[in-house]
Amino acid sequence: SAVISQKPSRDICQRGTSLTIQCQVDSQVTMMFWYRQQPGQSLTLIATANQGSEATYESGFVIDKFPISRPNLTFSTLTVSNMSPEDSSIYLCSVGLTSNTGELFFGEGSRLTVL
Amino acid sequence: AQSVSQHNHHVILSEAASLELGCNYSYGGTVNLFWYVQYPGQHLQLLLKYFSGDPLVKGIKGFEAEFIKSKFSFNLRKPSVQWSDTAEYFCALGQGPTFGRGTSLIVHP
Repeated sequence: SAVISQKPSRDICQRGTSLTIQCQVDSQVTMMFWYRQQPGQSLTLIATANQGSEATYESGFVIDKFPISRPNLTFSTLTVSNMSPEDSSIYLCSVGLTSNTGELFFGEGSRLTVL
Repeated sequence: AQSVSQHNHHVILSEAASLELGCNYSYGGTVNLFWYVQYPGQHLQLLLKYFSGDPLVKGIKGFEAEFIKSKFSFNLRKPSVQWSDTAEYFCALGQGPTFGRGTSLIVHP
């Protein structure tokens, strides 16, 4: 299994500002993903964080709005840039282990409110 | 493109009732299917998964799901629910999974 820590757990931000969310895993993992869960909605994959290279973004998400870093196999950041109230959501970091096909482990999430 | 549909958004049951949550998917390739659960105040965790083999898979806490290829379905079942099963249930497909909208289950004692 994997234990995932996300910071901050919640924040209230002003429109137009940016916030960086950190994700720390207690073991080296190959797959790392960032999801968004908007109120009353399902989880939507934002991007796959690739170690040492640019993240792979899903349709509808762009690097300028959601820059992602992954400097090593245990850490990643997601920045929500130039925030608007529509960005209010829970942002979830999840990881997959090489030895455990398919199963994802999730962090507690970062609840972001944009005023 | 792949997609997952969960048709029951809210389910309310009494304890000991049987449960079946529907999940249908759309994907033309090899399917990897999951059910995740999120208990109140907790993070998402895996209930069960299907990759290949026996289409009836058993998970934790007495849950099971049946993969029916002809119906593109992966319904979740439990013969007798408990109050502690109150949670949000998500069906998911693939690697870097696509999630369904989720089903909120409330079990009354």
